[in-house]
Amino acid sequence: EVQLVESGGGLVQPGGSLRLSCAASGFTFSSYSMNWVRQAPGKGLEWVSYISSSSSTIYYADSVKGRFTISRDNAKNSLYLQMNSLRDEDTAVYYCARGGDYGGPLGMDVWGQGTTVTVSS
Amino acid sequence: QSVLTQPPSVSGAPGQRVTISCTGSSSNIGAGYDVHWYQQLPGTAPKLLIYGNSNRPSGVPDRFSGSKSGTSASLAITGLQAEDEADYYCQSYDSSLSGPHVVFGGGTKLTVL
Repeated sequence: EVQLVESGGGLVQPGGSLRLSCAASGFTFSSYSMNWVRQAPGKGLEWVSYISSSSSTIYYADSVKGRFTISRDNAKNSLYLQMNSLRDEDTAVYYCARGGDYGGPLGMDVWGQGTTVTVSS
Repeated sequence: QSVLTQPPSVSGAPGQRVTISCTGSSSNIGAGYDVHWYQQLPGTAPKLLIYGNSNRPSGVPDRFSGSKSGTSASLAITGLQAEDEADYYCQSYDSSLSGPHVVFGGGTKLTVL
């Protein structure tokens, strides 16, 4: 079964750090680009970051650039999001999603169940 | 404010047809980038509904269809069913001054009357 499972969410104080993980199974992880997408409570989807299959291409949303770092370990079938200098507005459910190459025709066809990040003092 | 503009809500009776618009600009949809659509049922993760403007993944009923023209795209749902009540999001790509971005519409809540 093709599956993505996120972990690492939790409660953190403003200014703190958190590292999210996404474990992939059931497909050849190293062949796919990946994304992090978040959803604040009661709000719509917001793209956070993109990483190509080989990690050669990385993009960030303006709202997280300079604070978040996306990475992957193809040997471990895992995707990561290092989040530093967290702000209240980073509170959201964070999803990892398998996607086609940036700009391509395939969309994000597999999503995890999400992990909740709450930034609050 | 989202780069892609969707109506906040649409509604229709069972069996009817509804459409959801997604309006972009020359830096995203109008630049030739593909549009994808997602369905998010309450309390669940999004699900890919339409990819590459008009293609349905395996398992998605043919009641769902997508189209793209110029700087806009549309999702049509025919033969509305109660289980179609959900939030729908369009997604594309944008090459603005701040660099390449994946962009989502603000989402449209579909209510089946």
